[in-house]
Amino acid sequence: SQKIEQNSEALNIQEGKTATLTCNYTNYSPAYLQWYRQDPGRGPVFLLLIRENEKEKRKERLKVTFDTTLKQSLFHITASQPADSATYLCALDERNTGFQKLVFGTGTRLLVSP
Amino acid sequence: EPEVTQTPSHQVTQMGQEVILRCVPISNHLYFYWYRQILGQKVEFLVSFYNNEISEKSEIFDDQFSVERPDGSNFTLKIRSTKLEDSAMYFCASSEEGQPNQPQHFGDGTRLSIL
Repeated sequence: SQKIEQNSEALNIQEGKTATLTCNYTNYSPAYLQWYRQDPGRGPVFLLLIRENEKEKRKERLKVTFDTTLKQSLFHITASQPADSATYLCALDERNTGFQKLVFGTGTRLLVSP
Repeated sequence: EPEVTQTPSHQVTQMGQEVILRCVPISNHLYFYWYRQILGQKVEFLVSFYNNEISEKSEIFDDQFSVERPDGSNFTLKIRSTKLEDSAMYFCASSEEGQPNQPQHFGDGTRLSIL
């Protein structure tokens, strides 16, 4: 069956450290993978999109990698701050053409302590 | 920065009643979506809409659900006869284009509580 898995346990780290979150997928062959941030009671906010032929994508303190052989994406936040505390969702499109239909992982909650 | 707005933020309805959730997508976006998130679970796709037609819908989006773009700015989700299991956060999203390489922009949702 098709699955997108993220670590369901919260990730607790100290301010200033690098947070690394994992997204694994099974029985999908996405051409693109997206990462979103979700705060309690709010909608997902788009962060980064990476294509299958891009090994790595960066935006300020954020970095995403995409390994289609391992069927895995890693999401890194460097120099983390308490304001980075949120749930981070990975998402992919079920199909690579036609109209978009995003499938989300369950998300990983990140807690950054001062 | 333009944003997707949803009203109401919280809707409480008796089981069996009809409910309409409203969304104003970003003005130059052409593709619209509804998702739902049951408490503690993942965000699930319901339906996508383009050019005044449904382009894709999930198994959740049965005959009790319908969507409409009644004018140039609003996009609505109607649930005809609500059930207890319809209780969830409902998110509207929009995108400039519909291809998989496009980010979606989400509203902050309507919390629907069915009593």
